[in-house]
Amino acid sequence: EAGVAQSPRYKIIEKRQSVAFWCNPISGHATLYWYQQILGQGPKLLIQFQNNGVVDDSQLPKDRFSAERLKGVDSTLKIQPAKLEDSAVYLCASSLDLGQTGLADYEQYFGPGTRLTVT
Amino acid sequence: AQSVAQPEDQVNVAEGNPLTVKCTYSVSGNPYLFWYVQYPNRGLQFLLKYITGDNLVKGSYGFEAEFNKSQTSFHLKKPSALVSDSALYFCAVRALSGGYNKLIFGAGTRLAVHP
Repeated sequence: EAGVAQSPRYKIIEKRQSVAFWCNPISGHATLYWYQQILGQGPKLLIQFQNNGVVDDSQLPKDRFSAERLKGVDSTLKIQPAKLEDSAVYLCASSLDLGQTGLADYEQYFGPGTRLTVT
Repeated sequence: AQSVAQPEDQVNVAEGNPLTVKCTYSVSGNPYLFWYVQYPNRGLQFLLKYITGDNLVKGSYGFEAEFNKSQTSFHLKKPSALVSDSALYFCAVRALSGGYNKLIFGAGTRLAVHP
């Protein structure tokens, strides 16, 4: 079974530039997550999709971050314009989870992440 | 609000010795708890989970975790540490948001196993 794919693996940009990350989840996984992991901290959920709908984006800085999951499969996360504090690893994960009333498999499978450095 | 705490930034242990990585949690309702491991330049890998049932949960790579409701703890353990176990370990708790499940992660504990 193929895992969660992410690209690029590394990205260096200057502040105020824009950047986009791509994620392809495990086939058949309904739920897709984007996390931000700042050095020395645990992953923080930015946005969660159920199929192609957003179910939680409470911690997404919407003035500069956006994400979409067209057709309920792969997803892109964009930052425009980037700030120095956006330097982090951006992790994508997917899960079979269908929500509280659905199939209860809470295990999330993570991709290798994209390391973003903003200079 | 759901939360987890990992009180140790780093744990050092000699190879062959038992290891414990600590985690305490705060939840409303039944806790669903997880341990993940992160190796350098890689994503998180699932180790084990507690949903219900036996308080001792066995997982991948010889790891196990003990759920203790009275102490609100979910410590990760291994009887005999390997150098290859050196990595970053994260405890997580399930939270509900609008009827959907999400994970709240601790800050992580770096495990260093010395030969």
